[in-house]
Amino acid sequence: GESVGLHLPTLSVQEGDNSIINCAYSNSASDYFIWYKQESGKGPQFIIDIRSNMDKRQGQRVTVLLNKTVKHLSLQIAATQPGDSAVYFCAETEGNQFYFGTGTSLTVIP
Amino acid sequence: GAVVSQHPSRVICKSGTSVKIECRSLDFQATTMFWYRQFPKKSLMLMATSNEGSKATYEQGVEKDKFLINHASLTLSTLTVTSAHPEDSSFYICSAREIQRRAEAFFGQGTRLTVV
Repeated sequence: GESVGLHLPTLSVQEGDNSIINCAYSNSASDYFIWYKQESGKGPQFIIDIRSNMDKRQGQRVTVLLNKTVKHLSLQIAATQPGDSAVYFCAETEGNQFYFGTGTSLTVIP
Repeated sequence: GAVVSQHPSRVICKSGTSVKIECRSLDFQATTMFWYRQFPKKSLMLMATSNEGSKATYEQGVEKDKFLINHASLTLSTLTVTSAHPEDSSFYICSAREIQRRAEAFFGQGTRLTVV
């Protein structure tokens, strides 16, 4: 059947380099943001989150930056590894509303 | 972390039959569950939001009579694809949000539906 939905942007990086994945959100009232990683054939997995009262949060090899002025969210992955190849989605929430961004397909080149 | 179990992971059915997909929150109570559909190399498309004990809210363009959602308890939501057709073949994913404690949503493993 005909496929629907937005085509995923793609990003290719060399193994060991840092990756930056960007996401623009639309709702200025969103107060909680999450990055998910989805490997082929699997459901999305939580990576890191950030609340709207913060502009940066760090995890293991990952950093999320939030710029509320321009409604922009980014995910930085340090020293990218082949296992990081996946589709990455940002999600914004406000109350009970939960919306995903388009997603970015990351390919790590060995 | 919280676990959401989705069953079955794969199903093949004949055109015209109905298929039920279950989504269970195993170690937490979920006030809200979400159902998504995903085509290959495409983003997740929200189909509907279901709240325990009330009718699901469907996104525009999603046929509620085609995709029946039941959220009978705080740990179980079901999606039934009725009178399935080959164009219903897709990857269906559920997610659940925990009551009060977190805003984060946890995802099931997804169900690959193939209608032949």
